[in-house]
Amino acid sequence: DAKTTQPTSMDCAEGRAANLPCNHSTISGNEYVYWYRQIHSQGPQYIIHGLKNNETNEMASLIITEDRKSSTLILPHATLRDTAVYYCIVRAPAGATNKLIFGTGTLLAVQP
Amino acid sequence: GAGVSQSPSNKVTEKGKDVELRCDPISGHTALYWYRQSLGQGLEFLIYFQGNSAPDKSGLPSDRFSAERTGGSVSTLTIQRTQQEDSAVYLCASSILRTSGRMNEQFFGPGTRLTVL
Repeated sequence: DAKTTQPTSMDCAEGRAANLPCNHSTISGNEYVYWYRQIHSQGPQYIIHGLKNNETNEMASLIITEDRKSSTLILPHATLRDTAVYYCIVRAPAGATNKLIFGTGTLLAVQP
Repeated sequence: GAGVSQSPSNKVTEKGKDVELRCDPISGHTALYWYRQSLGQGLEFLIYFQGNSAPDKSGLPSDRFSAERTGGSVSTLTIQRTQQEDSAVYLCASSILRTSGRMNEQFFGPGTRLTVL
């Protein structure tokens, strides 16, 4: 699985957009980009995933560059409840296992 | 509907004792995963069950760790002769296996916090 690189931490003002970057320069053509987050003392929560097109759901938007070597998760209007560690994961679709390989993620602190 | 549940939520044990951690996946989910998260660390994959296939045990750190999944539903993670370094939050997740080839989102339980004294 491709390795991802994320900033260790970021701050965002409440109500503003939070833009979380992820570099995955060694991504392969069939690998998806997944985002999960983990709020303190809870299990990780799926946010969104994409292959090459930009994606949007009720939680966030995912922007993937044309060369697919990086992506950005966008929380359009961050709230205090969005404070969490955000994990960017790159994974091929089908294989012997579907295990997720978590890196260290980005700690997003939403400030009031 | 009900999510993934785990029990107990907290477990304190003495070094050398055996412990069993339980996971109830979401009904209908064919895949079940165990991860652990040590203090201040990221999640570490332990084991994966998918239907009747042989489980992927590649993440189990030692032969003191084992897991079963009975009837394709409930799973138990057993740690024998616990050591202090086993202290961590043990997380269970489940997912549906779609045939489209997409990897499927995993739904995580709240975890069991294990403390080995």
